[in-house]
Amino acid sequence: DTAVSQTPKYLVTQMGNDKSIKCEQNLGHDTMYWYKQDSKKFLKIMFSYNNKELIINETVPNRFSPKSPDKAHLNLHINSLELGDSAVYFCASSHPGTSGSDEQYFGPGTRLTVT
Amino acid sequence: GDSVTQMEGPVTLSEEAFLTINCTYTATGYPSLFWYVQYPGEGLQLLLKATKADDKGSNKGFEATYRKETTSFHLEKGSVQVSDSAVYFCALSDHTGGFKTIFGAGTRLFVKA
Repeated sequence: DTAVSQTPKYLVTQMGNDKSIKCEQNLGHDTMYWYKQDSKKFLKIMFSYNNKELIINETVPNRFSPKSPDKAHLNLHINSLELGDSAVYFCASSHPGTSGSDEQYFGPGTRLTVT
Repeated sequence: GDSVTQMEGPVTLSEEAFLTINCTYTATGYPSLFWYVQYPGEGLQLLLKATKADDKGSNKGFEATYRKETTSFHLEKGSVQVSDSAVYFCALSDHTGGFKTIFGAGTRLFVKA
């Protein structure tokens, strides 16, 4: 009964490759997010979707493209991977407004290593 | 824009010591405030929250009070355990800024037996 799941958990790939990370939530939330966490644990939001519509698109290279086929899924595709893309990527979901606060539920993370 | 500032770590304490992790914020509206905890190898999980001024959030022995006058939301625990070793993130969400949560830089806590 995992709330927010991500696959794969680990991803090791070479520079220049294209890869995807998948995220699914079974909480019935309207909003999903992608975050990047660097080696110093700093968490940076990348994208947010609300009801399949992109609502937050931070300054992220065009090589990163999110796709939301439905409310429960938000995938992240990365083209032409670079060394600097190595990080842990977290998916999260929330349902803003239900309790007056936007608490977020995080997936377990995908550790991406680019060699 | 909105921001969250929390004390730099790492913080190293002995078991049963008192913990304080400072957090201050700036926001244009009336944000909700959160503490999230990240245990090694895991995603973040909500520890506690407060949605309006003077609210106190509490969970697992941790507490934090929403202080509007000092724009602070400091995390405290009276007696830490080795199992509390983790990274703690202060965060705010402000509906005037859309569906975005702003996270602090995180504070790593080490608790020694």
